[in-house]
Amino acid sequence: QKEVEQNSGPLSVPEGAIASLNCTYSDRGSQSFFWYRQYSGKSPELIMFIYSNGDKEDGRFTAQLNKASQYVSLLIRDSQPSDSATYLCAVNVGNTPLVFGKGTRLSVIA
Amino acid sequence: KAGVTQTPRYLIKTRGQQVTLSCSPISGHRSVSWYQQTPGQGLQFLFEYFSETQRNKGNFPGRFSGRQFSNSRSEMNVSTLELGDSALYLCASSLLQGRETQYFGPGTRLLVL
Repeated sequence: QKEVEQNSGPLSVPEGAIASLNCTYSDRGSQSFFWYRQYSGKSPELIMFIYSNGDKEDGRFTAQLNKASQYVSLLIRDSQPSDSATYLCAVNVGNTPLVFGKGTRLSVIA
Repeated sequence: KAGVTQTPRYLIKTRGQQVTLSCSPISGHRSVSWYQQTPGQGLQFLFEYFSETQRNKGNFPGRFSGRQFSNSRSEMNVSTLELGDSALYLCASSLLQGRETQYFGPGTRLLVL
């Protein structure tokens, strides 16, 4: 049974701080890793994906992947109140369906 | 390019009825996946279609079924609705199967009374 674990939160950070969201996965064969953001009442929106070990940066977002330790994280720099949402981690192995974590609720306090 | 569209956006049904939801993927995308999202269970995979064939299926009862048409549009059907089927049903499309990025539609919110 493939599992993706996330701390449900809420994770509260002050405006302008760095928010760090973590995700662990059980299947060592996992190949693709995705972060989605979901505002309340809306559908998930892709933030970024990462395939290789290391860091990948896109604007204020950085995804970090460590396959040996089976974790992937998302850093949000200069957090804004508009970043307040639930962040979903998703993991994929080959042609199998994406497996989603239950999400971490982030609250950025102005 | 237009995004994934889903119809209807909201639906109220009673127990025992059946419902059909529709999803139109992003133009050129051939893979469509369906998910059920509830507060307690999170996002759960229902099934995936690629080139009109069901490629993967989640752990849901046979009351849940789907299909894909030659233009990649997909429908899912739930028969004999139960109260527990109340959820947000999300459709996601991707170019191909596998490690391709999935893009979600706005979802259909189903309430079963």
